[in-house]
Amino acid sequence: GENVEQHPSTLSVQEGDSAVIKCTYSDSASNYFPWYKQELGKGPQLIIDIRSNVGEKKDQRIAVTLNKTAKHFSLHITETQPEDSAVYFCAPRNTGTASKLTFGTGTRLQVTL
Amino acid sequence: NAGVTQTPKFRVLKTGQSMTLLCAQDMNHEYMYWYRQDPGMGLRLIHYSVGEGTTAKGEVPDGYNVSRLKKQNFLLGLESAAPSQTSVYFCASSDLQADYGYTFGSGTRLTVV
Repeated sequence: GENVEQHPSTLSVQEGDSAVIKCTYSDSASNYFPWYKQELGKGPQLIIDIRSNVGEKKDQRIAVTLNKTAKHFSLHITETQPEDSAVYFCAPRNTGTASKLTFGTGTRLQVTL
Repeated sequence: NAGVTQTPKFRVLKTGQSMTLLCAQDMNHEYMYWYRQDPGMGLRLIHYSVGEGTTAKGEVPDGYNVSRLKKQNFLLGLESAAPSQTSVYFCASSDLQADYGYTFGSGTRLTVV
């Protein structure tokens, strides 16, 4: 199965700074790379995803970049705000063979004022 | 549009008692999943279903059973609860190929004493 690692496990940034979370995976056949955000007391919510034929995708203040050669992808959050404080999970997947996602262990992001 | 609804939201069980967690989705999704989330361990897959009448084991299936008698419902059963099953349980659903990610419910917090 897929081995997924996230770094760092915790991240504290000041409001307005940028945050970067990295996800490393093992299955070279993975072709779908989503990021989920989980706020306190809620279920995870998909915030951005990318497919293997694209190197970067942006949606307002968040972006995801993919390096298939090195088998890692990263979540970038710019101009962080207090409401960005949450736990973020990556979940790479091979859509051709795997019907389920394997989640990373999560990164707790704290945005301080 | 409710998405994924989990009931109950909270429950306290005594060791040895049984219970069923209900997950219902109104998006006509084929795939449904049950995850448990423990501190520092991310999301671990218990069981999943790729269609009505089908179920399969995930990463941590021991002590749990599931049923998918109707496409919109996925039930998770604990026949004899143990303290090790104290956790937050999340249900999720996705379309046939999960190309648009998972939709999660808000979770059930279960405590076994």
